[in-house]
Amino acid sequence: DARVTQTPRHKVTEMGQEVTMRCQPILGHNTVFWYRQTMMQGLELLAYFRNRAPLDDSGMPKDRFSAEMPDATLATLKIQPSEPRDSAVYFCASGPSRGRSGNTIYFGEGSWLTVV
Amino acid sequence: QKEVEQNSGPLSVPEGAIASLNCTYSDRGSQSFFWYRQYSGKSPELIMSIYSNGDKEDGRFTAQLNKASQYVSLLIRDSQPSDSATYLCAVNVNYGGATNKLIFGTGTLLAVQP
Repeated sequence: DARVTQTPRHKVTEMGQEVTMRCQPILGHNTVFWYRQTMMQGLELLAYFRNRAPLDDSGMPKDRFSAEMPDATLATLKIQPSEPRDSAVYFCASGPSRGRSGNTIYFGEGSWLTVV
Repeated sequence: QKEVEQNSGPLSVPEGAIASLNCTYSDRGSQSFFWYRQYSGKSPELIMSIYSNGDKEDGRFTAQLNKASQYVSLLIRDSQPSDSATYLCAVNVNYGGATNKLIFGTGTLLAVQP
């Protein structure tokens, strides 16, 4: 059963602490997305990788957020230092990136972050 | 203007009725359109994709695309209480070169009343 795996599922941390979220994309998928979802803003695209290379991170606050893909099986999203306004659900998604179906992406279960 | 717009709802329909969900988008060059369903506390799951003008049917779901009007819709026939969820419209937006981003609307909350 192929699926996107995210850790941690839930995280409560104090303001100022570093938070690292991890994602294992579906095997064979070469595009990876990080989205943030809040009630007010909905799903916002933070970063987008293809073949491990960052193609777009314009939606990500650069001063505190960073996203990387150390290898094809791992994507990370780091927040340092975290702030209460970062409280949200962070979703990782992956897709095959070939032909029309390459635009289809599949979501992980999300990392629920609360910064107090 | 937002790139993908949806009415937030809630859209309330009785069980057995047809639910009609609508979405408009701003990028005329978009070629790929998707509907995702998201239950409360869960992640979005893909239910339909559509690439050409016209209708595409899959079971009780029909996606409709009109590129000239920049409009995509989802019809759910014989609505069931289990269809109650937030429906997210997603559009592939080309930012030039190899950059192709999937942008989501804020979603429409559907409530099917038994």
